[in-house]
Amino acid sequence: DTAVSQTPKYLVTQMGNDKSIKCEQNLGHDTMYWYKQDSKKFLKIMFSYNNKELIINETVPNRFSPKSPDKAHLNLHINSLELGDSAVYFCASSQDRQWRSGYTFGSGTRLTVV
Amino acid sequence: DAKTTQPNSMESNEEEPVHLPCNHSTISGTDYIHWYRQLPSQGPEYVIHGLTSNVNNRMASLAIAEDRKSSTLILHRATLRDAAVYYCILKNAYSGAGSYQLTFGKGTKLSVIP
Repeated sequence: DTAVSQTPKYLVTQMGNDKSIKCEQNLGHDTMYWYKQDSKKFLKIMFSYNNKELIINETVPNRFSPKSPDKAHLNLHINSLELGDSAVYFCASSQDRQWRSGYTFGSGTRLTVV
Repeated sequence: DAKTTQPNSMESNEEEPVHLPCNHSTISGTDYIHWYRQLPSQGPEYVIHGLTSNVNNRMASLAIAEDRKSSTLILHRATLRDAAVYYCILKNAYSGAGSYQLTFGKGTKLSVIP
């Protein structure tokens, strides 16, 4: 039973399209995140939601819009995809007092924009 | 969160112990030391964390210097499956709502030689 699951695992799409990536966690965690890992393998936080409320929005183009319908889900919608959006996107979750235990990450969604 | 410094890469022979160092000279008294690893084509995975005392779990041991300015992740017998990038990350116990996320550096790429 996967703790943090992302769909799809792979996504190939053309420039200008709109796409969504879904994330679900069954750990009962309060906080969920989206990270982006570019071709240089650097992991960077994009968004963080705590109890369905946005608490972090790093310098991310407004073409990226996260949506959290409930505590267990955090989806990422991307409008007008660009070549530079090609990356691996990871969803993660944690309890808000995260220092007590670890964060759990999904296995990633590899987005390729052509 | 305070900064950490790790070597870019390390090599180990299979079935030998591996000591992965991390320097964190500006650590505060309430910073927890977390270690994560990222296996190829997977999301980051929690390894271990600690505050002051050495910690052991089924994956690894964490040795924390007495002054807490450095720590060492110990893999007791490296296997080929341990080849990954290892990240040392500090998380403050009193991080506010805007600081829930893990901030990843470049980590140490561990290669295991058969």
